[in-house]
Amino acid sequence: NAGVTQTPKFQVLKTGQSMTLQCAQDMNHEYMSWYRQDPGMGLRLIHYSVGAGITDQGEVPNGYNVSRSTTEDFPLRLLSAAPSQTSVYFCASSFSRSGIYNEQFFGPGTRLTVL
Amino acid sequence: DAKTTQPTSMDCAEGRAANLPCNHSTISGNEYVYWYRQIHSQGPQYIIHGLKNNETNEMASLIITEDRKSSTLILPHATLRDTAVYYCIVSKGPHTGTASKLTFGTGTRLQVTL
Repeated sequence: NAGVTQTPKFQVLKTGQSMTLQCAQDMNHEYMSWYRQDPGMGLRLIHYSVGAGITDQGEVPNGYNVSRSTTEDFPLRLLSAAPSQTSVYFCASSFSRSGIYNEQFFGPGTRLTVL
Repeated sequence: DAKTTQPTSMDCAEGRAANLPCNHSTISGNEYVYWYRQIHSQGPQYIIHGLKNNETNEMASLIITEDRKSSTLILPHATLRDTAVYYCIVSKGPHTGTASKLTFGTGTRLQVTL
């Protein structure tokens, strides 16, 4: 299994540009989430999904959209990038049955800089 | 979800046990204690979780006090590769539909030295 994969690893955007951060998992996990981590801070939840077709907002959803059309993929869209969105973005997935509760598997992260 | 309090940083000599404390005095009866760590700039890694009993796995042990208001993560023989930020998180279990909603604080930065 590849686990959780994220692309791209690095990205530089100009203010106002839009882009999509890709996240995929091959573990058939129901739950997927997006977090952002600013320098010296903990992770903050942006959006999450409990299954295909179902998404909900986390702690800091403004400026981001998500969709979940398949179990495997959970893309994060930045509608109009702002310097405040400069951060490291982590995608995670988790499996909630068969004795493993809430263990989240994280991807390697996407480092985004908005100029 | 209950809030947690952890020391900002700790040091540990290689080969010794690292004991990382966490206070969660407002934890409710159906909330679990989870520990994750983040090595350098990588994605966080799950370590262990528990409800009220002490737990042990190949990575660590988790000791939860009887009143569940605090816990300690124990790395029995710390190595240089255990240098990381350790996060203590309190969250409800997956059957409530909140499996994805982990709230990460700033954690404890553990430095393991020779």
